[in-house]
Amino acid sequence: GQQLNQSPQSMFIQEGEDVSMNCTSSSIFNTWLWYKQDPGEGPVLLIALYKAGELTSNGRLTAQFGITRKDSFLNISASIPSDVGIYFCAGRPNFGNEKLTFGTGTRLTIIP
Amino acid sequence: DGGITQSPKYLFRKEGQNVTLSCEQNLNHDAMYWYRQDPGQGLRLIYYSQIVNDFQKGDIAEGYSVSREKKESFPLTVTSAQKNPTAFYLCASKPLGGNLYSNQPQHFGDGTRLSIL
Repeated sequence: GQQLNQSPQSMFIQEGEDVSMNCTSSSIFNTWLWYKQDPGEGPVLLIALYKAGELTSNGRLTAQFGITRKDSFLNISASIPSDVGIYFCAGRPNFGNEKLTFGTGTRLTIIP
Repeated sequence: DGGITQSPKYLFRKEGQNVTLSCEQNLNHDAMYWYRQDPGQGLRLIYYSQIVNDFQKGDIAEGYSVSREKKESFPLTVTSAQKNPTAFYLCASKPLGGNLYSNQPQHFGDGTRLSIL
């Protein structure tokens, strides 16, 4: 099946720093989604992207749908302690296909 | 409150036993999904259903079974045929319809952690 390569696998940053992570695919996606998961809980949707080149913000979070439709980026500005968690990208290959492919996650840790 | 409810939060199974995980949603969503999550890995699709009385296998369906007798319920049975059932199981749902630019994303429950005694 399709695979999503998500990087980095983990990040250790100080509070206040900016964060960048990305996902790349071997094939085209029509939708990109970014989720955050806290320990022992289900993923929560952060941002949904539907058009190539689209840049969407949600507070301090900004995500972009890559122009090639094979990648997506998530940036977090001025990180705070509650940003700690695992961030997942997910892609939907084509309209009408309701299955998502998930990346392996980026674990964000904030160093005091 | 509307949402997706998974129960129980923690479940223990003896080897050789079947066990059923519950997923209920009151969002009137058409489609429901079951995923398995292992440490350090992404979510892998087990089964999904887009309409009552119909469901399709995902990428790792072997050793699992589902039913969709009601729109709001999509229980997952982990059978004794699943040789490595210890994992975190997540249920998700979404409405169908929309178009290329407004297709609704999946929303998740809080998961059930299954362990083998």
